Amino acid sequence: GAVVSQHPSWVICKSGTSVKIECRSLDFQATTMFWYRQFPKQSLMLMATSNEGSKATYEQGVEKDKFLINHASLTLSTLTVTSAHPEDSSFYICSASPDREGSPLHFGNGTRLTVT
Amino acid sequence: QKEVEQNSGPLSVPEGAIASLNCTYSDRGSQSFFWYRQYSGKSPELIMFIYSNGDKEDGRFTAQLNKASQYVSLLIRDSQPSDSATYLCAVNRAETSYDKVIFGPGTSLSVIP
Repeated sequence: GAVVSQHPSWVICKSGTSVKIECRSLDFQATTMFWYRQFPKQSLMLMATSNEGSKATYEQGVEKDKFLINHASLTLSTLTVTSAHPEDSSFYICSASPDREGSPLHFGNGTRLTVT
Repeated sequence: QKEVEQNSGPLSVPEGAIASLNCTYSDRGSQSFFWYRQYSGKSPELIMFIYSNGDKEDGRFTAQLNKASQYVSLLIRDSQPSDSATYLCAVNRAETSYDKVIFGPGTSLSVIP
């Protein structure tokens, strides 16, 4: 149980275009989902917390107008990278927990974004 | 001071030995502690979680927590080459409405056959 599905697994886009990444909780409802970004040989950095039915909460230094997050249902959160640039190329991973706060997070398989 | 710190490694151990991974954290309010394993190019997978001081064992893995020292560790017994990966320590940061999970930089482990 507690499966998080992320799509697409990888995407290549041209500079200036936008890319949407979907994160779904398949067998549980998630009022809160988390988006992380990981650059090569670095750790996971929390970008934002996605809250169902309300605005996302962004970590310091993350541009909310560039990384649009929508959490329209209890099983789906989307991250849209707008006007992507090569420096946005990274591994984006979503996560959620089906249980009480403080419970382990379950991760999607991640999305490898390459901006050319 | 970073919220979660780990030795970056690489840590090399021979097959069959015990690998010891350490982590310190700065937020005394943290209550939940996790160890994740991440293979190159893949998402993290949960190895252990611990909430109370002391030891918690699961198969070849033992997590140890000392809240007074703000220290959490992971021991891997009978290390196997397949254990070679990056191990991420993660700690919750309590917010008003929900917890966030903050990751350390990870320790690269290499188990030599």
